[in-house]
Amino acid sequence: DVKVTQSSRYLVKRTGEKVFLECVQDMDHENMFWYRQDPGLGLRLIYFSYDVKMKEKGDIPEGYSVSREKKERFSLILESASTNQTSMYLCASSLWVATLMNTEAFFGQGTRLTVV
Amino acid sequence: AQTVTQSQPEMSVQEAETVTLSCTYDTSESDYYLFWYKQPPSRQMILVIRQEAYKQQNATENRFSVNFQKAAKSFSLKISDSQLGDAAMYFCAYRSENDYKLSFGAGTTVTVRA
Repeated sequence: DVKVTQSSRYLVKRTGEKVFLECVQDMDHENMFWYRQDPGLGLRLIYFSYDVKMKEKGDIPEGYSVSREKKERFSLILESASTNQTSMYLCASSLWVATLMNTEAFFGQGTRLTVV
Repeated sequence: AQTVTQSQPEMSVQEAETVTLSCTYDTSESDYYLFWYKQPPSRQMILVIRQEAYKQQNATENRFSVNFQKAAKSFSLKISDSQLGDAAMYFCAYRSENDYKLSFGAGTTVTVRA
């Protein structure tokens, strides 16, 4: 069974703290993604990675960085958390196959982060 | 990012009835993929149905079907014989053929009345 696991379901951090959100997938997927979900805005892409140590900015990368040292793990880092980063964060992964581009993305259960 | 618009923030349906969720998107490409994802209160996003733009036939998965109108850039989801377990937020998503990334709409919350 496909699995994307996020390390925390709920997290409360203080303004200015460095925050790590961890995501692990067990499907040997090449692609991994971090999305932010806010009411009325849907899911917005923060960063994605198509291979180990490779990363690309999404639509809202400001204030975030990422790390992918191993294929199965993709970390989202908030260098100095701010209250406007209070949100739901969703990790996803997908297979990259050149001849099968309609592959779906599989999601973790989300981390609800509150910055106080 | 591609623009995906879901104009209905909330929809309510009686159990066993049918509800249709609308989605429009903006693209200049001819080859792409469209998806409907379901997010129940557990927060686990689940793929409901997908459609390849090059296929004229509308996709169907059991009680879920789509009405894909390529010229109108419209991709609506019909849920037939609604069940209590269908209550969730539904997201429409777009992906270009040559890209890895999904662009999502704002979501529609579906409530099912017993």
